[in-house]
Amino acid sequence: EPEVTQTPSHQVTQMGQEVILRCVPISNHLYFYWYRQILGQKVEFLVSFYNNEISEKSEIFDDQFSVERPDGSNFTLKIRSTKLEDSAMYFCASSERAGGRLIDEQFFGPGTRLTVL
Amino acid sequence: DAKTTQPNSMESNEEEPVHLPCNHSTISGTDYIHWYRQLPSQGPEYVIHGLTSNVNNRMASLAIAEDRKSSTLILHRATLRDAAVYYCILRDRGGADGLTFGKGTHLIIQP
Repeated sequence: EPEVTQTPSHQVTQMGQEVILRCVPISNHLYFYWYRQILGQKVEFLVSFYNNEISEKSEIFDDQFSVERPDGSNFTLKIRSTKLEDSAMYFCASSERAGGRLIDEQFFGPGTRLTVL
Repeated sequence: DAKTTQPNSMESNEEEPVHLPCNHSTISGTDYIHWYRQLPSQGPEYVIHGLTSNVNNRMASLAIAEDRKSSTLILHRATLRDAAVYYCILRDRGGADGLTFGKGTHLIIQP
């Protein structure tokens, strides 16, 4: 069964450093998402991406964040200058839009645990 | 997305049915009701969704009240593997936007 993959599984970085989290969505999917979950808290939406541009973003997704689909398979989340409060699990998700189906489930990856020291 | 209300936690015994309730009194006519779950140390996983009629799939059943102000996720025969946090989420028809997760219901399964 196809699945969303994410690398690395765990990233440790120093405050102020840039990090790039990588995701490989399911191959025929067209919509891509990033979410984060701070330890013990709820899953929070960050951004959605379709047709090579951001379609929606939350208040959390400020100028420190950016997303990119650099090639036909990868989808990345960059945090330019990490803060302590960026420590969280980051989940990538993807979904497709098949003919006649208006609502599509999102398939989530296993997550990348980001620890900012 | 409209707000949903779920119990913080529920407990059930293995191999028994589980009914997870969700209230969504402010649901709009174009909102679909989605259920996701998150197993320990994993990403969320889609379970089921519906609009008005009850729905069944290999994982669960979704019973939707006639006025659509509440719904119930039914696990017909819970296993230890079903221990997870279950989220009820409303999403507009045609929406490909982000999901708004609440705190969900922490389902505990006793052997």
